[in-house]
Amino acid sequence: ETGVTQSPTHLIKTRGQQVTLRCSSQSGHNTVSWYQQALGQGPQFIFQYYREEENGRGNFPPRFSGLQFPNYSSELNVNALELDDSALYLCASSLDRYEQYFGPGTRLTVT
Amino acid sequence: GIQVEQSPPDLILQEGANSTLRCNFSDSVNNLQWFHQNPWGQLINLFYIPSGTKQNGRLSATTVATERYSLLYISSSQTTDSGVYFCAVGSGGGADGLTFGKGTHLIIQP
Repeated sequence: ETGVTQSPTHLIKTRGQQVTLRCSSQSGHNTVSWYQQALGQGPQFIFQYYREEENGRGNFPPRFSGLQFPNYSSELNVNALELDDSALYLCASSLDRYEQYFGPGTRLTVT
Repeated sequence: GIQVEQSPPDLILQEGANSTLRCNFSDSVNNLQWFHQNPWGQLINLFYIPSGTKQNGRLSATTVATERYSLLYISSSQTTDSGVYFCAVGSGGGADGLTFGKGTHLIIQP
């Protein structure tokens, strides 16, 4: 059984640029959730995709968007990057929105 | 939205000691998970425990849903237990994702 994987592991971008982060869900899971974790804080929920549809969203602006593909993998896109977007981005997969399993994360630095 | 409070925020113990971490939440939940975050940022699943009691080796957890709290017990601590422990809860159909507490930073000294 393959766990949740994320790419890339690290990324450095300039303010104003756009970024795409990728997540492959655990085998058999149909739900992917994305979280942002700032330094010293707990993760914060960005949004969730269930069977290719966004079905829940946290308090994040529209420049945070996403996709889920038929194989249940997912992308997180962030436009017009700001310095405060520097964080660890975590992807979690689950079966039918219950117990969530997290990937290793992508550490994004915006300069 | 639902509020999650974890205590204590920091805990320093000697190897071999036992500890109890607490998680209080403000509303009914149908998902409660405990995680250990390692130094590289990976969240390791410890327990999925919206109610009841579970044990896994030196770790055990109890959730009293009617009183809106959960406890994580670590016995005979080892230095590898060091790290941040998070409690996270979810409600409704799960579409609001998990709400995390601020974590308990545990340091086990040799």
